[in-house]
Amino acid sequence: AQSVTQPDIHITVSEGASLELRCNYSYGATPYLFWYVQSPGQGLQLLLKYFSGDTLVQGIKGFEAEFKRSQSSFNLRKPSVHWSDAAEYFCAVGAPSSGSARQLTFGSGTQLTVLP
Amino acid sequence: GAVVSQHPSWVICKSGTSVKIECRSLDFQATTMFWYRQFPKQSLMLMATSNEGSKATYEQGVEKDKFLINHASLTLSTLTVTSAHPEDSSFYICSARWASGTYEQYFGPGTRLTVT
Repeated sequence: AQSVTQPDIHITVSEGASLELRCNYSYGATPYLFWYVQSPGQGLQLLLKYFSGDTLVQGIKGFEAEFKRSQSSFNLRKPSVHWSDAAEYFCAVGAPSSGSARQLTFGSGTQLTVLP
Repeated sequence: GAVVSQHPSWVICKSGTSVKIECRSLDFQATTMFWYRQFPKQSLMLMATSNEGSKATYEQGVEKDKFLINHASLTLSTLTVTSAHPEDSSFYICSARWASGTYEQYFGPGTRLTVT
């Protein structure tokens, strides 16, 4: 079964600084990869996704992520963080072997704090 | 597009009573809906997968008699927590998928359940 690891429970950055959130997955082939953001007391919003093709994907709100097969990683980046980016970020994996249910497996999340 | 709503956004009920949470896909037909449970500062835990017109598939460890799921139409799924207890207090999130061949899920804003 696939698994997702987000090594950083909590990250703090200053506004305007760059950001990288780590995500590693365990799966035998190339999975479907997603990054979601959750603001307090809210549901999840899709930031970006990777299925195939160009390994650098652009998302909403200025985020991008790079798929690196050799490292089994799909790290999320943003060149300049805004205070409004403070939220919980979840990496998720969809594995073709999960059958017709096509469920997602979520990482444990990374809480981002942005300092003024 | 791809908006999912949940109602209510928060509910308080007394121990022993039942509470129903609705999940609606507002601008698309959802072939599959998922129900998740999220504890404070934790990731999403998949409770069940429901397909329109058929019985829900529950994850291991989830009591199907306690968490009744009905997916009566392509735009509505309901989760009923029966004989609620304080330990059922949690944040419940639904998501919907518009096609069986995709992994992409659209999430509702969540429902905060407090059982007193």
